[in-house]
Amino acid sequence: DTAVSQTPKYLVTQMGNDKSIKCEQNLGHDTMYWYKQDSKKFLKIMFSYNNKELIINETVPNRFSPKSPDKAHLNLHINSLELGDSAVYFCASTHRGRSTGTTEAFFGQGTRLTVV
Amino acid sequence: AQSVTQLGSHVSVSEGALVLLRCNYSSSVPPYLFWYVQYPNQGLQLLLKYTSAATLVKGINGFEAEFKKSETSFHLTKPSAHMSDAAEYFCAVSDDSGYSTLTFGKGTMLLVSP
Repeated sequence: DTAVSQTPKYLVTQMGNDKSIKCEQNLGHDTMYWYKQDSKKFLKIMFSYNNKELIINETVPNRFSPKSPDKAHLNLHINSLELGDSAVYFCASTHRGRSTGTTEAFFGQGTRLTVV
Repeated sequence: AQSVTQLGSHVSVSEGALVLLRCNYSSSVPPYLFWYVQYPNQGLQLLLKYTSAATLVKGINGFEAEFKKSETSFHLTKPSAHMSDAAEYFCAVSDDSGYSTLTFGKGTMLLVSP
């Protein structure tokens, strides 16, 4: 069973289009994230949601809008796509237990977005 | 603010040789430290983590890392490299503030030659 799954794995689209990436985790975790990996492989946090509420928004353009319908899902919608949005987007999840602390982050396989 | 520095964007070793990937961190609070591995076109897989228990941490695939507070380091080692170890390795730090976002280093590509 896949713990954190993202769809689609590959996404090629034209500039100006709107697209969505979906993420689901079956680990029962309460916190989900979106990370962006650029062409130089550098990974940076974009958003963090805890129990469906936005916790962290790291100066991401407002063309990016995360949506969390429930704590197992965190989708990423991107409006008016630009060439610079081309990257690999990773979803991840963690959980904070009262006695165990926070688990390590479990990552999805990534979505390679190419804007042409 | 936290940060991670990985020395060397590429490290080349021969099969059977010692692997040493360097990571130094900066954190104003006791850090949680992680090493992740990324194989081509794959997601990130946790190799090992330090969460203030034992300073020598053993992970999967024969890797281990030692937390040295005095040196603010968390270097990754493996006694004998295998061809299958060729991948990108990321060191990351978290402050476990409750929402535990990871700050990553820029990654080190490990190349293993026969």
